[in-house]
Amino acid sequence: EVQLVQSGAEVKKPGESLKISCKGSGYTFTKYWIAWVRQMPGKGLEWMGIIYPGDSDTRYSPSFEGQVTISADKSISTAYLQWSSLKASDTAMYYCARLGGAMDVWGQGTTVTVSS
Amino acid sequence: DIQMTQSPSSLSASVGDRVTITCRASQGISNYLAWYQQKPGKVPNLLIYAASTLQSGVPSRFSGSGSDTDFTLTISSLQPEDVATYYCQKYNSAPWTFGQGTKVEIK
Repeated sequence: EVQLVQSGAEVKKPGESLKISCKGSGYTFTKYWIAWVRQMPGKGLEWMGIIYPGDSDTRYSPSFEGQVTISADKSISTAYLQWSSLKASDTAMYYCARLGGAMDVWGQGTTVTVSS
Repeated sequence: DIQMTQSPSSLSASVGDRVTITCRASQGISNYLAWYQQKPGKVPNLLIYAASTLQSGVPSRFSGSGSDTDFTLTISSLQPEDVATYYCQKYNSAPWTFGQGTKVEIK
C-alpha cells in the first residue's frame, strides 16, 4: 500500500526551531516529487513547495521562500519541512503529498501550534 | 504567478441536485488542472486530474471538464456524503496554486 506517514503534533514557542517529517512507503520514494501544503485554521490549502528526493531538486512558492526549508533523506524515504524561528502565524496543519501527476497520495497531516 | 479563482465560494443544494463548480486560471494551463475534495476534519482527496480524468475509486457522479483557462467540476446527483470543500489546483508549473475553495452543503 502506498502511504505517507507524517510525524506527530507539535506545540512550540515563538522563536523555536522545528523539523517535521513525512515518510513514504509502498513505492519508489526517489521517483516522485513530494509537496508540502499548509492549511491555517479554518482556511484553504496553500502550496508551499516541492522536492524531488532523487536529487533533492527543490522549488518553493514565493510566499514561503526563505520562511521554511524543504529537504529529504532518500536513504530513509523521508521528506522534511523545517523552520529556524517559528512565529505564531505558523500555527497550522501541514500536509505532505506525493506528486503522481497531481497530488495523489496525502499524509495524515501534522498539526503545529506556536504559542507563548 | 497564475491565479486560480473558484466560484461560487459556497453553495447549498438538495440531495439529488446537479452541482457545478467553476475554476478560472488567470493564464492558460492546458489541462494541468486537478480537483480535490476535503471533508470536514479530513485529509484532502484527489478526485480528478488532467482536468477530466477520474481518480481510481472516485464515484462516477463526479466529472470534470475544460481546458486552457476555464474548468468545471460537476456532481451529477448530490449525495449527503459529498458535503465538503472542493479545491481546484493548477500543476503545469510551480507554484502549484490552489483555488480558494468551494464549500458544498446540503439544503
